[in-house]
Amino acid sequence: AQTVTQSQPEMSVQEAETVTLSCTYDTSESDYYLFWYKQPPSRQMILVIRQEAYKQQNATENRFSVNFQKAAKSFSLKISDSQLGDAAMYFCAYRSVLNNTDKLIFGTGTRLQVFP
Amino acid sequence: GAVVSQHPSRVICKSGTSVKIECRSLDFQATTMFWYRQFPKQSLMLMATSNEGSKATYEQGVEKDKFLINHASLTLSTLTVTSAHPEDSSFYICPGGTGCRNQPQHFGDGTRLSIL
Repeated sequence: AQTVTQSQPEMSVQEAETVTLSCTYDTSESDYYLFWYKQPPSRQMILVIRQEAYKQQNATENRFSVNFQKAAKSFSLKISDSQLGDAAMYFCAYRSVLNNTDKLIFGTGTRLQVFP
Repeated sequence: GAVVSQHPSRVICKSGTSVKIECRSLDFQATTMFWYRQFPKQSLMLMATSNEGSKATYEQGVEKDKFLINHASLTLSTLTVTSAHPEDSSFYICPGGTGCRNQPQHFGDGTRLSIL
């Protein structure tokens, strides 16, 4: 069974600075998707960025980028030029391609605080 | 595009009441809906997967007679918490999928259920 681990329960960053959130996963599959979701206090789940495992190039969405290390099974999220609105819970998630299911497996989350 | 509407957003009921939560895809056909539960300060845990026109698939440890799922159309899935008790108080959230593996799931805004 696949597992997702986020080893940082909480992180903090100064506004305009850069922060990296860690995520590791365990799987025996070679093809899968990885996601970072943001959950603000409203508890909406907002897709931040996604990575297809077969792509070597790291995904980037504006100030958000990932460092995908497939061999190490690592998928960290870098937030550049942090803004107050980035404060939220961040969840890393895994989704299989090969199995006949689209379910997401979530990590335990990292709470990000942004200080002015 | 790919909007999921969840209703109600907040519900407070007495113990023993049955509560129905609706998850509706507004602009896409959701062949699959996933029901997740999130306890305070915890991650999202998959409860069940509902497929349009067939029986839901429940995760281990989730009582199918307690959490009734109906996915009668491509745009609507419902979760009924039968005879709810205080321990059922949680945040319930449903993403929908089109069945296309390269498309991310889109989450509704969630339902905060409180059982007194």
